[in-house]
Amino acid sequence: GAGVSQSPRYKVAKRGQDVALRCDPISGHVSLFWYQQALGQGPEFLTYFQNEAQLDKSGLPSDRFFAERPEGSVSTLKIQRTQQEDSAVYLCASSLAGGSEAFFGQGTRLTVV
Amino acid sequence: AQSVTQPDIHITVSEGASLELRCNYSYGATPYLFWYVQSPGQGLQLLLKYFSGDTLVQGIKGFEAEFKRSQSSFNLRKPSVHWSDAAEYFCAVGAQDYGQNFVFGPGTRLSVLP
Repeated sequence: GAGVSQSPRYKVAKRGQDVALRCDPISGHVSLFWYQQALGQGPEFLTYFQNEAQLDKSGLPSDRFFAERPEGSVSTLKIQRTQQEDSAVYLCASSLAGGSEAFFGQGTRLTVV
Repeated sequence: AQSVTQPDIHITVSEGASLELRCNYSYGATPYLFWYVQSPGQGLQLLLKYFSGDTLVQGIKGFEAEFKRSQSSFNLRKPSVHWSDAAEYFCAVGAQDYGQNFVFGPGTRLSVLP
């Protein structure tokens, strides 16, 4: 597609519920990043893929967070047993390679109630 | 590891006034540097980027930034601010090494007075 697409745009989850957030990167982009942006904060790195390989997951806050990109294109960020502190905007970005220019999606706003 | 600081949390300027947003980074090699803007409820839009070459880079919407290696800075400037420039501005650093991620600063919120 023309840009990075994320779905859903908004998600309300009850505490303890599992959620899955989807990211469709720009076609041909090798690198894919997930960020978490809390209200009033800058984006915080969660994880990074190069094609289907998850090269860095050091930013995932707990083992409740899991990301995958099985075919090197679409990626899913899964959060198990959601907690209120998981409420944030989850941003996905893709780039041709590594640290070159990243293009961001509109984000998914997750609210845990 | 890369890190980015933006010393100013919130800046208010009058419409038509000049603007400078500060950004300092820490990285062991020559970085890729970026400025992004985020309007309320919107995604991140790239304003400009520095990879190499001329240290003064021009971006969209009349913004420019200057890379100063000696000061580890990449400050964003605009000679005359418009009301529509009110937004959150993020400086980010990427690495030239393939496989490295972006690190963002905490952001500077810009308010514009009429």
